[in-house]
Amino acid sequence: QQQVKQSPQSLIVQKGGISIINCAYENTAFDYFPWYQQFPGKGPALLIAIRPDVSEKKEGRFTISFNKSAKQFSLHIMDSQPGDSATYFCAVPNTGTASKLTFGTGTRLQVTL
Amino acid sequence: KAGVTQTPRYLIKTRGQQVTLSCSPISGHRSVSWYQQTPGQGLQFLFEYFSETQRNKGNFPGRFSGRQFSNSRSEMNVSTLELGDSALYLCASALTTSGRGDTQYFGPGTRLTVL
Repeated sequence: QQQVKQSPQSLIVQKGGISIINCAYENTAFDYFPWYQQFPGKGPALLIAIRPDVSEKKEGRFTISFNKSAKQFSLHIMDSQPGDSATYFCAVPNTGTASKLTFGTGTRLQVTL
Repeated sequence: KAGVTQTPRYLIKTRGQQVTLSCSPISGHRSVSWYQQTPGQGLQFLFEYFSETQRNKGNFPGRFSGRQFSNSRSEMNVSTLELGDSALYLCASALTTSGRGDTQYFGPGTRLTVL
C-alpha cells in the first residue's frame, strides 16, 4: 500500500514570492510523479509531472525537484500570483499499477496581494 | 479534443437509495478510474477499468461497483447509500498503452449529497 505525506497543509505566500510544497512516499513507486492543481468546484488538473530519470523539471514558473534516493519530490512555484491560489496535490502511482494514484492530503495555497 | 465529462454534476439522494454516476473519457482513452474526494479523507482511489475489465480496486466496500462499456464509457454505482458516501466523485481517463505511468485527466466530478 502506497503512503504519501504532503506538507504543508496550507500556505500563504505574498504575490511574487516562492511557494514550496513537499511530498514524500514510502514504497518504491512507478516511474511517474505528477502534481495536480484543483480550484473550488473543479476536478484536479495536471500541472506538471516528472519521471525519475531526471532530478528536476521546469515548466514556466513551476518546477519539480525529485530526489529518488530520499523518495521525496517537491513543487516550487516561482513569482507566485493570486491566480495560483488553489489546492495542490502530489500523487504517486502504485508499484506495478501506474493507473492507480495515491494522492497526498493536499496543500491549500493562498497568494496575497 | 473534448475533456472528460461526468453526469450528473450534482445529485441529492436519501439514505438507503442507490445511485449511478456516468463518465465519458477523452476520445481514445481506454482506462477510466474513479476517485472519491471528501474533506476528511482526501482523494481516494475506488477502482479502474481498462477494456471493459476491472484492473485495479481500492479499499471500498462492495456497495461501490462499476463497469465499463465497449466505447470506454464507464458507470459507477453505489447501493444502499450512507451519509458518509456524500462526496465529490471524480472520474479520470488515461491512455495507458505504454505500460508506464500515463497522465490521468480528471473530469469535473459529480457532487453527491446523501440526506
